[in-house]
Amino acid sequence: NFMLTQPHSVSESPGKTVTISCTRSSGSIASNYVQWYQQRPGSSPTTVIYEDNQRPSGVPDRFSGSIDSSSNSASLTISGLKTEDEADYYCQSSDGFNLGVFGGGTKVTVL
Amino acid sequence: QVQLQESGPGLVKPSETLSLTCTVSGGSISGYYWSWIRQAPGKGLEWIGYMYYRGNSNYNPSLEGRVTMSADTSKDQISLKLSSVAAADTAIYYCARGGSSSLFVHTFDYWGHGTLVTVSS
Repeated sequence: NFMLTQPHSVSESPGKTVTISCTRSSGSIASNYVQWYQQRPGSSPTTVIYEDNQRPSGVPDRFSGSIDSSSNSASLTISGLKTEDEADYYCQSSDGFNLGVFGGGTKVTVL
Repeated sequence: QVQLQESGPGLVKPSETLSLTCTVSGGSISGYYWSWIRQAPGKGLEWIGYMYYRGNSNYNPSLEGRVTMSADTSKDQISLKLSSVAAADTAIYYCARGGSSSLFVHTFDYWGHGTLVTVSS
């Protein structure tokens, strides 16, 4: 099966923009939807992006998702960074057999 | 508001079978895909498998045939069984609701709070 690789951590100041990458090791990133989950310490994950770039209701438009076939990767961008955005973020996708795969997670620190 | 609640023993002995239940309130399991995901202490998320409420399922091959999921529509419950457990199976186990189509199995809109299962003698 394939792997999804994320940076271990990113950090930025409040008000700035961070982008988290999620690179698929084999198979096309465009062939299966990518989801992004936010997990604050001590809490269960919540969905911030689904189907590559869709935001659930209640998720601020500061969160956006995209995919790039040239780099075979997906990205989560958080603009106007707030202290409440400090959390772990996981990408997730699937293969042609609908087997799920999570990325290793990225810790976002708001300086 | 749909709510998911995982329940089951918090301690399981090595080589035994872990059994958990996800009870859905505020909605029905009918018409949706349901997944189990786990997270070892201090580690990332691992997909365990999913099942459709009518019974077809798909499991993570890395768990080597130890996983079984089932559904009880009369109780709006999804169950997970993981056999021959070892210390590496110690984790928080989450259930999550996917979509209503096979295209959206992994599009989770609701998650449970999770339940910690420790494997130890």
